[in-house]
Amino acid sequence: QSALTQPASVSGSPGQSITISCTGTSSDVGGYNYVSWYQQYPGKAPKLMIYDVSTRPSGVSDRFSGSKSGNTASLTISGLQAEDEADYYCSSYTTGAGLFGGGTKLTVL
Amino acid sequence: QVQLVESGGAVVQPGRSLRLSCTTSGLTFSSHGFHWVRQAPGKGLECVAVIWWDGSNKYYADSVKGRFTVSRDNSMNTLYLQMNSLRAEDTAVYYCARDSATYVLDVWGQGTTVTVSS
Repeated sequence: QSALTQPASVSGSPGQSITISCTGTSSDVGGYNYVSWYQQYPGKAPKLMIYDVSTRPSGVSDRFSGSKSGNTASLTISGLQAEDEADYYCSSYTTGAGLFGGGTKLTVL
Repeated sequence: QVQLVESGGAVVQPGRSLRLSCTTSGLTFSSHGFHWVRQAPGKGLECVAVIWWDGSNKYYADSVKGRFTVSRDNSMNTLYLQMNSLRAEDTAVYYCARDSATYVLDVWGQGTTVTVSS
């Protein structure tokens, strides 16, 4: 049960786009279209932003999008805003308990 | 309004036990699986336990297998996490979360803090 691999940090300026990667294996990310992304502010519970690789829940901005290629999933945030500064976690279904990535801190410059 | 409220967090000594509860409202509890997810101070998220909608399947992270037990009471709309033989590394905020599909955690509680220290 190794955690999925995410970059520790990414940054971008307002209005720019950034992409956060999430690398797993054929037993998790690559084997199923069940990748989710969560946004977390300090001291708060995570919030679901993307599920089933690329589906946005109702109420989530269309600036957030997801994709997957092989064993790597990606979250793209376009038109960066100050409010997007937060930690982002990917998660994947696997047989057994689910897996999370180590988290990526997004800084909006 | 769907709500999950965790309780039971405390400061406990290593080796002791603790039971967390997750009380739910505003949802059809018996129709959903649930996850317990923890977050150690300054660290990332870790799924520690999963229970299916009917309790027929339960899964655990390797780090807690044999020590933690997840259960549910569909008549009380409540989820539990029994934690035995606690270790310092179990110190974390513990969240319960609803699984709305295949490991899609769409509703989270506010978390309850467990501190394991002598």
